[in-house]
Amino acid sequence: NAGVTQTPKFQVLKTGQSMTLQCAQDMNHNSMYWYRQDPGMGLRLIYYSASEGTTDKGEVPNGYNVSRLNKREFSLRLESAAPSQTSVYFCASSATKGPQYFGPGTRLTVL
Amino acid sequence: QKEVEQNSGPLSVPEGAIASLNCTYSDRGSQSFFWYRQYSGKSPELIMSIYSNGDKEDGRFTAQLNKASQYVSLLIRDSQPSDSATYLCAVNRMDSSYKLIFGSGTRLLVRP
Repeated sequence: NAGVTQTPKFQVLKTGQSMTLQCAQDMNHNSMYWYRQDPGMGLRLIYYSASEGTTDKGEVPNGYNVSRLNKREFSLRLESAAPSQTSVYFCASSATKGPQYFGPGTRLTVL
Repeated sequence: QKEVEQNSGPLSVPEGAIASLNCTYSDRGSQSFFWYRQYSGKSPELIMSIYSNGDKEDGRFTAQLNKASQYVSLLIRDSQPSDSATYLCAVNRMDSSYKLIFGSGTRLLVRP
Protein backbone atom coordinates (compact mmCIF):
# COMPACT_ATOMS: atom_id res chain seq x y z
CA ASN A 1 0.00 0.00 0.00
CA ALA A 2 1.29 3.44 -0.92
CA GLY A 3 -0.83 5.15 1.76
CA VAL A 4 -1.31 8.82 0.89
CA THR A 5 0.44 10.15 -2.19
CA GLN A 6 0.78 13.77 -3.32
CA THR A 7 1.94 15.41 -6.51
CA PRO A 8 3.97 17.43 -7.21
CA LYS A 9 6.66 17.34 -4.52
CA PHE A 10 7.92 20.83 -5.33
CA GLN A 11 6.46 23.74 -7.29
CA VAL A 12 7.45 27.32 -7.99
CA LEU A 13 4.76 29.69 -9.24
CA LYS A 14 4.63 33.32 -10.15
CA THR A 15 2.04 35.56 -8.53
CA GLY A 16 -1.29 35.14 -10.28
CA GLN A 17 -0.62 31.70 -11.72
CA SER A 18 -2.92 28.81 -10.93
CA MET A 19 -2.21 25.21 -10.08
CA THR A 20 -3.78 22.08 -8.67
CA LEU A 21 -2.25 19.89 -6.01
CA GLN A 22 -3.24 16.26 -6.29
CA CYS A 23 -3.76 13.78 -3.46
CA ALA A 24 -4.76 10.13 -3.49
CA GLN A 25 -5.13 7.48 -0.79
CA ASP A 26 -5.45 3.72 -1.04
CA MET A 27 -6.57 2.98 2.53
CA ASN A 28 -10.31 3.14 1.74
CA HIS A 29 -10.68 6.10 4.10
CA ASN A 30 -13.86 8.17 4.01
CA SER A 31 -12.32 11.46 5.11
CA MET A 32 -9.60 13.55 3.50
CA TYR A 33 -7.95 16.82 4.46
CA TRP A 34 -5.69 19.58 3.18
CA TYR A 35 -3.34 21.42 5.57
CA ARG A 36 -0.69 24.03 5.21
CA GLN A 37 2.30 24.24 7.53
CA ASP A 38 4.23 27.43 8.04
CA PRO A 39 7.12 28.05 10.45
CA GLY A 40 5.77 28.96 13.88
CA MET A 41 2.15 28.45 12.80
CA GLY A 42 1.80 24.70 13.03
CA LEU A 43 -0.60 22.74 10.86
CA ARG A 44 -3.65 24.68 9.73
CA LEU A 45 -6.64 23.04 8.08
CA ILE A 46 -7.58 24.51 4.71
CA TYR A 47 -10.45 22.26 3.62
CA TYR A 48 -11.68 18.82 4.43
CA SER A 49 -14.02 16.22 3.01
CA ALA A 50 -15.80 14.12 5.61
CA SER A 51 -17.04 11.72 2.95
CA GLU A 52 -17.24 11.37 -0.80
CA GLY A 53 -19.43 14.11 -2.19
CA THR A 54 -18.94 16.59 0.67
CA THR A 55 -16.40 19.32 1.30
CA ASP A 56 -16.16 21.91 4.07
CA LYS A 57 -14.00 24.87 4.91
CA GLY A 58 -11.34 24.66 7.56
CA GLU A 59 -9.49 27.46 9.34
CA VAL A 60 -7.82 29.10 6.34
CA PRO A 61 -9.88 28.46 3.16
CA ASN A 62 -9.48 31.84 1.44
CA GLY A 63 -7.69 31.60 -1.89
CA TYR A 64 -8.25 27.86 -2.26
CA ASN A 65 -10.81 25.49 -3.74
CA VAL A 66 -11.10 21.74 -3.46
CA SER A 67 -12.65 18.85 -5.33
CA ARG A 68 -13.38 15.41 -3.94
CA LEU A 69 -13.11 13.59 -7.24
CA ASN A 70 -13.98 10.16 -5.83
CA LYS A 71 -13.33 8.27 -2.61
CA ARG A 72 -9.60 8.04 -3.33
CA GLU A 73 -8.78 11.50 -4.63
CA PHE A 74 -8.97 15.01 -3.17
CA SER A 75 -7.44 17.95 -5.03
CA LEU A 76 -6.57 21.48 -3.91
CA ARG A 77 -6.61 24.34 -6.40
CA LEU A 78 -5.01 27.74 -6.15
CA GLU A 79 -6.77 29.94 -8.70
CA SER A 80 -4.49 32.98 -8.44
CA ALA A 81 -1.43 32.28 -6.36
CA ALA A 82 -0.11 34.90 -3.93
CA PRO A 83 3.23 35.04 -2.08
CA SER A 84 1.30 34.47 1.19
CA GLN A 85 0.47 30.99 -0.11
CA THR A 86 4.12 29.98 -0.02
CA SER A 87 4.03 27.02 2.33
CA VAL A 88 4.27 23.27 2.67
CA TYR A 89 0.97 21.58 1.86
CA PHE A 90 0.00 18.24 3.34
CA CYS A 91 -2.87 15.99 2.41
CA ALA A 92 -4.17 13.52 4.98
CA SER A 93 -6.86 10.86 5.21
CA SER A 94 -8.66 9.05 7.99
CA ALA A 95 -11.37 6.58 8.78
CA THR A 96 -14.28 8.10 10.69
CA LYS A 97 -13.05 9.13 14.19
CA GLY A 98 -9.68 7.59 13.44
CA PRO A 99 -6.21 9.10 13.30
CA GLN A 100 -5.13 10.99 10.22
CA TYR A 101 -2.37 9.71 7.97
CA PHE A 102 -0.32 12.21 6.03
CA GLY A 103 1.16 12.32 2.57
CA PRO A 104 4.75 13.42 1.92
CA GLY A 105 3.83 17.05 1.24
CA THR A 106 4.22 19.63 -1.53
CA ARG A 107 6.64 22.52 -1.08
CA LEU A 108 5.17 25.51 -2.89
CA THR A 109 6.95 28.80 -3.49
CA VAL A 110 5.07 31.75 -4.96
CA LEU A 111 7.31 34.50 -6.29
CA GLN B 1 -5.69 30.51 25.02
CA LYS B 2 -4.71 28.11 22.28
CA GLU B 3 -6.90 25.03 21.89
CA VAL B 4 -3.89 22.71 22.08
CA GLU B 5 -0.74 23.92 23.81
CA GLN B 6 2.73 22.48 23.79
CA ASN B 7 6.05 23.84 24.95
CA SER B 8 8.00 24.59 21.79
CA GLY B 9 11.31 23.49 23.33
CA PRO B 10 13.83 22.45 22.43
CA LEU B 11 13.77 19.72 25.04
CA SER B 12 17.28 18.37 25.27
CA VAL B 13 17.93 14.97 26.89
CA PRO B 14 20.96 12.68 26.90
CA GLU B 15 20.88 9.39 25.03
CA GLY B 16 19.27 6.66 27.13
CA ALA B 17 17.20 9.07 29.24
CA ILE B 18 13.42 9.37 29.41
CA ALA B 19 11.98 12.24 27.38
CA SER B 20 8.68 13.63 28.66
CA LEU B 21 6.54 15.67 26.28
CA ASN B 22 3.42 17.42 27.48
CA CYS B 23 0.27 18.78 25.93
CA THR B 24 -2.81 20.53 27.33
CA TYR B 25 -6.10 21.06 25.53
CA SER B 26 -9.10 23.29 26.11
CA ASP B 27 -12.09 21.33 24.72
CA ARG B 28 -13.47 19.21 27.58
CA GLY B 29 -15.48 17.15 25.10
CA SER B 30 -12.46 15.90 23.18
CA GLN B 31 -12.33 12.13 22.96
CA SER B 32 -9.41 11.24 20.70
CA PHE B 33 -5.78 12.13 21.25
CA PHE B 34 -2.82 11.52 19.00
CA TRP B 35 0.93 12.00 18.99
CA TYR B 36 2.76 12.54 15.74
CA ARG B 37 6.49 12.69 15.09
CA GLN B 38 7.79 15.00 12.38
CA TYR B 39 11.37 14.96 11.20
CA SER B 40 12.69 18.12 9.60
CA GLY B 41 11.48 18.40 6.01
CA LYS B 42 9.17 15.39 6.35
CA SER B 43 5.47 14.84 6.98
CA PRO B 44 3.90 14.04 10.37
CA GLU B 45 3.95 10.35 11.24
CA LEU B 46 1.45 8.86 13.70
CA ILE B 47 3.16 7.21 16.67
CA MET B 48 0.45 6.90 19.33
CA SER B 49 -3.32 7.11 19.72
CA ILE B 50 -5.10 7.21 23.08
CA TYR B 51 -8.81 7.42 23.78
CA SER B 52 -9.32 6.67 27.50
CA ASN B 53 -7.79 7.83 30.75
CA GLY B 54 -4.61 6.15 31.85
CA ASP B 55 -1.48 4.90 30.16
CA LYS B 56 -0.97 3.20 26.82
CA GLU B 57 2.37 1.62 26.01
CA ASP B 58 3.84 0.75 22.63
CA GLY B 59 7.48 -0.26 22.68
CA ARG B 60 9.54 2.64 24.02
CA PHE B 61 6.58 5.01 23.86
CA THR B 62 3.95 5.57 26.54
CA ALA B 63 1.03 7.94 26.12
CA GLN B 64 -0.73 9.17 29.24
CA LEU B 65 -4.17 10.78 29.29
CA ASN B 66 -5.90 12.66 32.11
CA LYS B 67 -9.20 14.06 30.89
CA ALA B 68 -10.04 15.69 34.21
CA SER B 69 -6.88 17.78 33.97
CA GLN B 70 -7.13 18.08 30.16
CA TYR B 71 -3.61 16.83 29.84
CA VAL B 72 -1.93 14.30 27.58
CA SER B 73 1.71 13.36 27.62
CA LEU B 74 4.19 11.21 25.73
CA LEU B 75 7.09 9.45 27.41
CA ILE B 76 9.96 8.11 25.33
CA ARG B 77 12.13 5.64 27.22
CA ASP B 78 15.76 4.92 26.34
CA SER B 79 15.84 7.98 24.06
CA GLN B 80 17.97 7.64 20.94
CA PRO B 81 19.47 10.35 18.71
CA SER B 82 17.08 9.10 16.02
CA ASP B 83 14.20 10.27 18.23
CA SER B 84 15.31 13.87 17.66
CA ALA B 85 12.33 15.43 15.91
CA THR B 86 9.32 17.65 16.53
CA TYR B 87 6.44 15.94 18.32
CA LEU B 88 2.93 17.15 17.56
CA CYS B 89 -0.03 16.63 19.86
CA ALA B 90 -3.42 16.44 18.14
CA VAL B 91 -6.88 16.44 19.69
CA ASN B 92 -10.25 15.98 18.05
CA ARG B 93 -12.87 18.65 18.40
CA MET B 94 -16.09 17.84 20.21
CA ASP B 95 -18.14 19.43 17.42
CA SER B 96 -16.51 17.30 14.76
CA SER B 97 -15.29 13.75 14.84
CA TYR B 98 -13.31 14.49 11.71
CA LYS B 99 -11.30 17.55 12.54
CA LEU B 100 -8.13 17.50 14.60
CA ILE B 101 -6.54 20.48 16.26
CA PHE B 102 -2.76 20.31 16.29
CA GLY B 103 -0.40 21.86 18.76
CA SER B 104 2.61 23.73 17.39
CA GLY B 105 4.89 20.91 18.48
CA THR B 106 7.78 20.32 20.87
CA ARG B 107 11.23 19.95 19.40
CA LEU B 108 13.15 17.10 21.03
CA LEU B 109 16.93 16.87 20.84
CA VAL B 110 18.61 13.68 22.07
CA ARG B 111 22.31 14.23 22.72
CA PRO B 112 24.65 11.27 21.97
